[in-house]
Amino acid sequence: EVQLVASGGGLVQPGGSLRLSCAGSGFTFSSYWMHWVRQAPGKGLVWVSRINSDGDSATYADSVKGRFTFSRDNAQNTLYLQMNSLRAEDTAVYYCAREGVFAIDYWGQGTLVTVSS
Amino acid sequence: DIQMTQSPSTLSASVGDRVTITCRASQSISTWLAWYQQKPGRPPKLLIYKASSLQSGVPSRFSGSGSGTEFTLTISSLQPDDFATYYCQQYSSYTFGQGTKLEIK
Repeated sequence: EVQLVASGGGLVQPGGSLRLSCAGSGFTFSSYWMHWVRQAPGKGLVWVSRINSDGDSATYADSVKGRFTFSRDNAQNTLYLQMNSLRAEDTAVYYCAREGVFAIDYWGQGTLVTVSS
Repeated sequence: DIQMTQSPSTLSASVGDRVTITCRASQSISTWLAWYQQKPGRPPKLLIYKASSLQSGVPSRFSGSGSGTEFTLTISSLQPDDFATYYCQQYSSYTFGQGTKLEIK
């Protein structure tokens, strides 16, 4: 069974940093491109970032470019999202997700990030 | 960036109804479109990929169509479990539509 378990969320002050992790299991982790998608409370889904299977290429939404860094450790089957210079508008549930052949096919349960003083 | 516009934003319907949700892209995306269902407090679930292909395990009452810039998700006969929010996503630069909340009339 495919499982994605995100962790690392919490309360952080504006301007602060946080690192999210996502552990994958039940599939050949190193073969898949992976994503982070976020959802502010009561709002819609917003794509954040994508990383290729090798971890040497990542793309970002304009809203996080230069502040967030997406990386992966295929030996540990783990994704990381380093979030710096956090703003109130970054408050959201952050989902890690797997890209299948034609779409994102599996999602983790999400971890809540709250940016507030 | 490619923008995705869903309509309607909210849809009220009854069990047994046939409903259609539309998603329009700001430029052609061929058939690189997916549809997701999301219930409160849960992650999204993939329903349709490549515009019209049904994800394994998804009931056949769900169907998708379209290409280029206009796409539709149709539920042929609404069931109680179908009341949720639906999102389209284009697969060129991953933008989501703003969502359609399907409510019980």
